[in-house]
Parts: sequence; C-alpha cells; structure tokens
Amino acid sequence: DQQVKQNSPSLSVQEGRISILNCDYTNSMFDYFLWYKKYPAEGPTFLISISSIKDKNEDGRFTVFLNKSAKHLSLHIVPSQPGDSAVYFCAASDPGTSGTYKYIFGTGTRLKVLA
Amino acid sequence: DVKVTQSSRYLVKRTGEKVFLECVQDMDHENMFWYRQDPGLGLRLIYFSYDVKMKEKGDIPEGYSVSREKKERFSLILESASTNQTSMYLCASRRTGFSNQPQHFGDGTRLSIL
Repeated sequence: DQQVKQNSPSLSVQEGRISILNCDYTNSMFDYFLWYKKYPAEGPTFLISISSIKDKNEDGRFTVFLNKSAKHLSLHIVPSQPGDSAVYFCAASDPGTSGTYKYIFGTGTRLKVLA
Repeated sequence: DVKVTQSSRYLVKRTGEKVFLECVQDMDHENMFWYRQDPGLGLRLIYFSYDVKMKEKGDIPEGYSVSREKKERFSLILESASTNQTSMYLCASRRTGFSNQPQHFGDGTRLSIL
C-alpha cells in the first residue's frame, strides 16, 4: 500500500505560469518532506524540503506548502521555465522503529513547461 | 560538492548470472542506499547501510544482497539475475541518519537482464 502518492502522472504548463505539483501521504509519523527533480539519464537532485512543524518553505521560484491535517503537500513553481521540465518526486522521511529515517518516495509527476 | 559515482551507466547480463553494481561516494557520508526506479512505481528502497558493515533491508530486498566493507563504497549484488530485475538502479548517500539531511544520488545504472 502506497504511503506517498502523486496522483498526477503528468502536467503541462505554459512558460511563465505557475506549476503546482501535489503529493498526499498516509502516515502521520512522517517528520520531514522533500522534493526531488529528475532529468532523463541523471539521478534525482534535491530541490526543497519542509519540516512537519512548518506549513511553508520558500526558495527562490520554488515554494512547498504542507497541510498536516489533510496530509497533503504541494510544490509551487513560479514562474515556470522550460528548464523545469523534468520528473518531480515527493519523498517523506519515515523515522521507523530504529530511527534510521528512510525515505518513502511517490511515483513521480512529469512536468512539461511549454515555451 | 557531493559526488556519488556508480561504476556503470549501462549493463547487460544474462539470467542466472551474479551481478555486482558498485557505488562510491566522496564525502565521508555515513548512510548509503540502493533504490530501483520503475515506470509507475517511483523509487523503491532495496537496501540501505547506516555505517560500515551495517545493513538493513528496505522494501524490496528479495533477490538482492549488499556489501559495505569501506565507508565510501556500497555494493549491490544480484545473486542470480532474473528478467524482472531489469530496471534503473540508483545509489544515494547521506551525511547522517537525521531526517533533515537530503540524500545525494548517483546518475544510475540501467541494467538489462536477458
């Protein structure tokens, strides 16, 4: 059973507009959330993160929002650029029983920014 | 800047072969991880190691084993390769076991089992 879900496999957005990528999770024990970006033939690269005690974190064009009551987070990219076209993975940090903090990844959303 | 290097970008092996995937990181990170990425399934954790000679099973360890004899190197072993192990394999490292430390990934090994 998937604990981290990205229900939109793909998203197309016009250059200059806002991109909103969504992620839902089921485990209230997750204490940290991260977004990764992946280009073809490359490994994922860390983009932005948020602690479960916060509801917003901003870094330049990227903002992550966390709604703990809804167990939902979203990544906003404003303005979107063609270079943002990639697959975006949401990940949740699971402390587990031994405190080793594994990540649970979603299935990814492919973002295409149209010029 | 953190560098995680996977020994091969592409690999083709035959069913029944023993396959070794190697990963090296240059930042003295304690934690290392092996994932596989499949379409529609995202990244799934196979094994991870939180220190030298320490390992823990991830979500899909069946058919795999790992070795970590030195801090910088983490090897994934397919004991007897099967066609359902054809996948993209990603290695990652992380400085410590705390949740706010991001993992750094290598560029992946695309493995095909014929």
